[in-house]
Amino acid sequence: DIVMTQSPLSLSVTPGQPASISCKSSQSLVHTNGKTYLYWYLQKSGQAPQLLINEVSNRFSGVPDRFSGSGSGTDFTLKISQVEAEDVGVFYCVQTLQTPRTFGQGTKVEI
Amino acid sequence: QIHLQESGPGLVKPSETLSLTCAVSGGSINNYWWTWMRQSAGKGLEWIGRVYATGVTEYNPSLKSRLTLSADTSKNNFSLKLSSVTAADTAVYFCARDHYFENNGIRVAFDVWGQGAMVTVSS
Repeated sequence: DIVMTQSPLSLSVTPGQPASISCKSSQSLVHTNGKTYLYWYLQKSGQAPQLLINEVSNRFSGVPDRFSGSGSGTDFTLKISQVEAEDVGVFYCVQTLQTPRTFGQGTKVEI
Repeated sequence: QIHLQESGPGLVKPSETLSLTCAVSGGSINNYWWTWMRQSAGKGLEWIGRVYATGVTEYNPSLKSRLTLSADTSKNNFSLKLSSVTAADTAVYFCARDHYFENNGIRVAFDVWGQGAMVTVSS
């Protein structure tokens, strides 16, 4: 299985300030078709995870542009340009290159 | 807009079979893969497996010997059965749409989720 490792596991941020979360995979997430199947989700308290970013850097419909994803191969980053109070929750990276799909441990973001 | 809703017993006895169904509304299950995931305090989010509308399946090897996923196009739902459960199977179980492709070729994954169903394994 591909192991996904996130850091930090918790993050205390001030509204209006930037935040950054790292996600590393135990092997490259690049498919033979050239695409990289790394995704980011936010799980707010008591809710199911919600999709933020597809294929490393493509914001899902309706996701604010303060969220951005970057990276390649095995190293990826989610950035929030200016954290807002509604961004509180646990962020997860997920790989869908192989089955079983695997998740990072989650990064808890608090204000 | 597609909506998913899990249903099933919230309490299952050890050694028995956990059964959940995910009802899909606002769209058809045809032409998509559908995924089950679970979340427990001890193991975080875990991918259980996925089923295509035709019944083709892919399972997490860690659960494969106990797992059966199925799809029912006539009822527009899909189901999970996990046998011989133990306390380690206590979790919130989520169903989700596995993926689809946007017109620009981007693969969108796990875009729609059910609200989750808490299942406790206890005698």
